[in-house]
Amino acid sequence: KQEVTQIPAALSVPEGENLVLNCSFTDSAIYNLQWFRQDPGKGLTSLLLIQSSQREQTSGRLNASLDKSSGRSTLYIAASQPGDSATYLCAVTPNYGQNFVFGPGTRLSVLP
Amino acid sequence: NAGVTQTPKFRILKIGQSMTLQCTQDMNHNYMYWYRQDPGMGLKLIYYSVGAGITDKGEVPNGYNVSRSTTEDFPLRLELAAPSQTSVYFCASIDSMPDTQYFGPGTRLTVL
Repeated sequence: KQEVTQIPAALSVPEGENLVLNCSFTDSAIYNLQWFRQDPGKGLTSLLLIQSSQREQTSGRLNASLDKSSGRSTLYIAASQPGDSATYLCAVTPNYGQNFVFGPGTRLSVLP
Repeated sequence: NAGVTQTPKFRILKIGQSMTLQCTQDMNHNYMYWYRQDPGMGLKLIYYSVGAGITDKGEVPNGYNVSRSTTEDFPLRLELAAPSQTSVYFCASIDSMPDTQYFGPGTRLTVL
């Protein structure tokens, strides 16, 4: 059974810092991995999607990497801003299924 | 496009009551999903559908039922509500596997 974990559970940084969020999964047989942002009381917004054949994806100040063989992904946020404060979740799409498996999320606070 | 819409936004139920959570998408997506999110946790899959007339159980289906008579709508039915069903419920859709998920804003349900 695929399991997804995220470390740390919560992170607080001063504005302007670069930071890394981690996601681990137990089964490397995946189609893709996605990173989502969730603001308090809101739904999830997709940030980046990495196909299993890719090593990384970039969007603006965000860069996500994928090491399928070791079961790890990282989300790098450059020059963090208070507006980046949210919960970040990763999810994998297993090869065998039609559904997605989510991690518990990392709650990020960027202090002005 | 409105994307994925969910109603109601909030609801309080008494133990033993029933209700239907509505989910509609206007993107003509084939796949639709229902998740629940408990505080500090990731999303757990309740039910999903790969097309009209086809539904299947996810990780936590007990106490819930679904139907999919049209491409657009995927209602979630709670029978005999229990306090353990207090949660935030999210509906999501995608066009085809594997692809980016689009989420609704969620329904916050409290069972007292």
